[in-house]
Amino acid sequence: QQPVQSPQAVILREGEDAVINCSSSKALYSVHWYRQKHGEAPVFLMILLKGGEQKGHEKISASFNEKKQQSSLYLTASQLSYSGTYFCGTEARLEGGSEKLVFGKGTKLTVNP
Amino acid sequence: EPEVTQTPSHQVTQMGQEVILRCVPISNHLYFYWYRQILGQKVEFLVSFYNNEISEKSEIFDDQFSVERPDGSNFTLKIRSTKLEDSAMYFCASSVSLGRYNSPLHFGNGTRLTVT
Repeated sequence: QQPVQSPQAVILREGEDAVINCSSSKALYSVHWYRQKHGEAPVFLMILLKGGEQKGHEKISASFNEKKQQSSLYLTASQLSYSGTYFCGTEARLEGGSEKLVFGKGTKLTVNP
Repeated sequence: EPEVTQTPSHQVTQMGQEVILRCVPISNHLYFYWYRQILGQKVEFLVSFYNNEISEKSEIFDDQFSVERPDGSNFTLKIRSTKLEDSAMYFCASSVSLGRYNSPLHFGNGTRLTVT
């Protein structure tokens, strides 16, 4: 039930763009994206609820293809502060509703000057 | 902005001892969770809690684990007989809702548990 994230790690120079993908084998209610800096708690970025929906958070946006059970996180014009590990969390569509959010293994993003 | 608070920030215990990790969720949140993260690895779901009972638990959450909301504000995770492999960062989280309502999880800063 754990979503699969790719790539496992990305190294960028400041100003470059990146895409992080998240896919699930199960039908999804929603996809969450969180960022965790070293030694800190995961911090919420955004939730995507519907097929094809896109959301944005500063220069970070995401899409959710409900039919393909996939989501992608887009980081444009990356800043040093974007460095961290990005986790997608998926809430699977189960009969009666699901009450757990399962995270992928994370994508470590490093932005260098 | 309201936040989830966890105590202690670091707990060292000997194998076989009982530990209680404490959390104060955000006051108007209805769902509470425990996750753990072994150093450098993924954030693993342990248990969700709603309306004073466990909603769902993972295979990790075996009989040595228990959760409680003793007084309407605290949310605790008890590990009865700790093992070396229980060493991890334990995160408490809360949300207004999950499921068909969908809201973000707010994480506390975690308790680092070290079992020696």
